[in-house]
Amino acid sequence: GAVVSQHPSRVICKSGTSVKIECRSLDFQATTMFWYRQFPKQSLMLMATSNEGSKATYEQGVEKDKFLINHASLTLSTLTVTSAHPEDSSFYICSATSTATYEQYFGPGTRLTVT
Amino acid sequence: GNSVTQMEGPVTLSEEAFLTINCTYTATGYPSLFWYVQYPGEGLQLLLKATKADDKGSNKGFEATYRKETTSFHLEKGSVQVSDSAVYFCALKGNTPLVFGKGTRLSVIA
Repeated sequence: GAVVSQHPSRVICKSGTSVKIECRSLDFQATTMFWYRQFPKQSLMLMATSNEGSKATYEQGVEKDKFLINHASLTLSTLTVTSAHPEDSSFYICSATSTATYEQYFGPGTRLTVT
Repeated sequence: GNSVTQMEGPVTLSEEAFLTINCTYTATGYPSLFWYVQYPGEGLQLLLKATKADDKGSNKGFEATYRKETTSFHLEKGSVQVSDSAVYFCALKGNTPLVFGKGTRLSVIA
C-alpha cells in the first residue's frame, strides 16, 4: 500500500533554532501534500497545502515566514520551523495525495519539542 | 464552511461491548465521509469511507452509513476488542482538504 514517511520522528531543539521535517511518499507520486498540526487530545489542524513546484497555501492564522514549506519534487515536501519557540512544540503530521488514486495518505508524525 | 462534530470522549468499554461513536457534519454539496483511526504512537490510518448517500463503509468489523437526511456518519462495531483502543476521527472531504472532527478516544478493557 501507499506509504508516507516522516523524518525525524522525534526532535528536540533549543529555542531560537530552526528545525526541518521531511515528508516523503515512498511508493507513489504526490502533486499535493498537506501539513497538519495536532495538539494534545485535539484534532488535526491544517496548516498548509503544498503543490509540487509552486508556493504553499497557508491556512488563516498560520505564519508563512515561520513555517516554511517546500515541495521540490513529486515525492518530497519539507516543513521548516524557523526560530522555534516552546509554543511551537507539537505533533506535526504530513499527508500526501496520490496522483494515481487521489487518496490521501498520512505520515506517522513528528514530535517536536522546543526547550 | 465544512465542519465535523463528533461525540466527546473518552469512551471506555468492556471487551465484546457494542460501540457507537456519533458523527454529524455540515457541508455544502456532496462530500465524501471518512473514519480514521490513530493507534497510540502512530499516525492516522484510514478505517473506512463512504462517498455518497446511503453508502456503507466497513472494515475490521467497523461500519458506518452515510445518512444525508440526518447529515450523520456514525461509527459502529458489534463487539470491541482491547486492540481497538485508539483515537477515532471522523472527517469529510468536499472540494477542500480533509476536515476532521476533534477525535474520540476509545479505551477497551478486558
